[in-house]
Amino acid sequence: EAQVTQNPRYLITVTGKKLTVTCSQNMNHEYMSWYRQDPGLGLRQIYYSMNVEVTDKGDVPEGYKVSRKEKRNFPLILESPSPNQTSLYFCASSFRGRMNTEAFFGQGTRLTVV
Amino acid sequence: GDSVTQMEGPVTLSEEAFLTINCTYTATGYPSLFWYVQYPGEGLQLLLKATKADDKGSNKGFEATYRKETTSFHLEKGSVQVSDSAVYFCALGDRGSTLGRLYFGRGTQLTVWP
Repeated sequence: EAQVTQNPRYLITVTGKKLTVTCSQNMNHEYMSWYRQDPGLGLRQIYYSMNVEVTDKGDVPEGYKVSRKEKRNFPLILESPSPNQTSLYFCASSFRGRMNTEAFFGQGTRLTVV
Repeated sequence: GDSVTQMEGPVTLSEEAFLTINCTYTATGYPSLFWYVQYPGEGLQLLLKATKADDKGSNKGFEATYRKETTSFHLEKGSVQVSDSAVYFCALGDRGSTLGRLYFGRGTQLTVWP
């Protein structure tokens, strides 16, 4: 089954404690991205990757890091989380270079930073 | 730059009522347009799409027509059901160098009462 898998689904952590949210896709998609969803703000892109070892900032990259060492995985790293990073996070993937391509989303990770 | 403006919610309707959620876009070229739906506790999933002017996307009784002259992609359904209660996102697919990126509206919460 084609899917994007995020882990964990829920996470409560303390300020400053490094964490990683994993994302994996099984569709051989080149393009992967991370979004955060906040009430009244919709989805905002954090980082994206157009292929292995190619990553770039989205609209709200401050406080986040990513890596793309393998095509299927695109982890999101918070080196020193702060309460303003409390949010619902989504990973998505799609084929790059196709205008009508569908983006597939993970189930989301609800992060609370206290 | 590219952007999407979507009708603010929440929208509350009775079952079998007619639904319209407005969406307009700004783009430098000829983007693809999408509607995504997010059911409670889940990730986003594609509802319908249109890739060129005058195309009509349809799925599950929902329809939207790509109107280039009014830069709009309004979502409609003739008779909503309780199971349609969800958050709906209008999105635009980039034709530029970051082909694969989606720009989202802020989302519209729909609640349908029996």
